[in-house]
Amino acid sequence: AQTVTQSQPEMSVQEAETVTLSCTYDTSENNYYLFWYKQPPSRQMILVIRQEAYKQQNATENRFSVNFQKAAKSFSLKISESQLGDTAMYFCAFMVTNFGNEKLTFGTGTRLTIIP
Amino acid sequence: NAGVTQTPKFQVLKTGQSMTLQCAQDMNHNSMYWYRQDPGMGLRLIYYSASEGTTDKGEVPNGYNVSRLNKREFSLRLESAAPSQTSVYFCASNRPPNRGGQPQHFGDGTRLSIL
Repeated sequence: AQTVTQSQPEMSVQEAETVTLSCTYDTSENNYYLFWYKQPPSRQMILVIRQEAYKQQNATENRFSVNFQKAAKSFSLKISESQLGDTAMYFCAFMVTNFGNEKLTFGTGTRLTIIP
Repeated sequence: NAGVTQTPKFQVLKTGQSMTLQCAQDMNHNSMYWYRQDPGMGLRLIYYSASEGTTDKGEVPNGYNVSRLNKREFSLRLESAAPSQTSVYFCASNRPPNRGGQPQHFGDGTRLSIL
């Protein structure tokens, strides 16, 4: 079974600063995917970024980037030039590639507050 | 461009009542999922359906049943609601044909309260 751990229940940062959210996972699988989802107060689950485990290059999406360390089983999210709209819960999630069954295992989330 | 649609958005039930949560997706996805979200616990998988006509248990299936009515629709039923089932329920879908590792697309959730 896979487990995902987010050890920072809450974080806060000043607007325009950079913040890094931590995520570690445990698995015996070799082929898998990792995701960060954002959940603002509206409750929607919004995909932030996706990383394929077989790719060594870290994924980036505009101000969002990851630091993927496969050997250490670590998958942190860096948000650069933070904005007030980044205030949300952030969930790290793990997916094993299994034809037809690609369920997600989620961490417990980090509540991020951007301070004006 | 609706994506994943869940109904209803809110519901209050009394203990012992039954209810069906509806979910439909219009992205031609093969796989659909039901999760519940409780405070401090992230999302946990209740049931999933890898394709039309198949369903399987997830991490927390007790007290629930599901039906994959067709490729678009996947419903979740509470036969006899209990206060422990008070939660926010999310439906999700992924996997266009022949494409693995695709992110799941989520509906907006149903907030369910059992009194």
